[in-house]
Amino acid sequence: QKEVEQDPGPLSVPEGAIVSLNCTYSNSAFQYFMWYRQYSRKGPELLMYTYSSGNKEDGRFTAQVDKSSKYISLFIRDSQPSDSATYLCAMSPQGAQKLVFGQGTRLTINP
Amino acid sequence: DTGVSQNPRHKITKRGQNVTFRCDPISEHNRLYWYRQTLGQGPEFLTYFQNEAQLEKSRLLSDRFSAERPKGSFSTLEIQRTEQGDSAMYLCASSIRAANTEAFFGQGTRLTVV
Repeated sequence: QKEVEQDPGPLSVPEGAIVSLNCTYSNSAFQYFMWYRQYSRKGPELLMYTYSSGNKEDGRFTAQVDKSSKYISLFIRDSQPSDSATYLCAMSPQGAQKLVFGQGTRLTINP
Repeated sequence: DTGVSQNPRHKITKRGQNVTFRCDPISEHNRLYWYRQTLGQGPEFLTYFQNEAQLEKSRLLSDRFSAERPKGSFSTLEIQRTEQGDSAMYLCASSIRAANTEAFFGQGTRLTVV
């Protein structure tokens, strides 16, 4: 079993919809949680960074962490075609240097 | 451009040849990471430097792989005697001391071994 599980999709939604992306994890030591966006043939771009549990909002993006359920989410409001990309969750324990990534969810926003 | 820079962007090589990739991190970042990403998968950690010291290596980093960061600035990743299974995107990331897990990635080097 992988430490981080993420549904690879693909996920296709109409423009303007609210998108929900999720990851589950098994390592209770994870304390830092990140979401990256990756366009085709490009490097991952950091979107959101959260420490421990709670919510964080940045414009149209909201990240949620539920450590009791070992579950993290990224919500995208008013989705745009330019949001079409692969979204990767990543996490690490306190003091660790490496990130453990999910498989990535491929998202398409249809105009 | 003040982001992480990787060269070359693409590399095609014949099986058995050696290849070397370069990464230039964000200038004030003292931590540098190498990851490998295969098609349809998330990046997998390979190795980590703090300044010039290589502090952690993954089991994925076989004896054919070597990474250096000689002056604590740019880094190189060399693969000797390449195999078809080495075909992947090799990603470099960097971070600053105070936010060690907020890593910023370069565009990657896509390696194809034929």
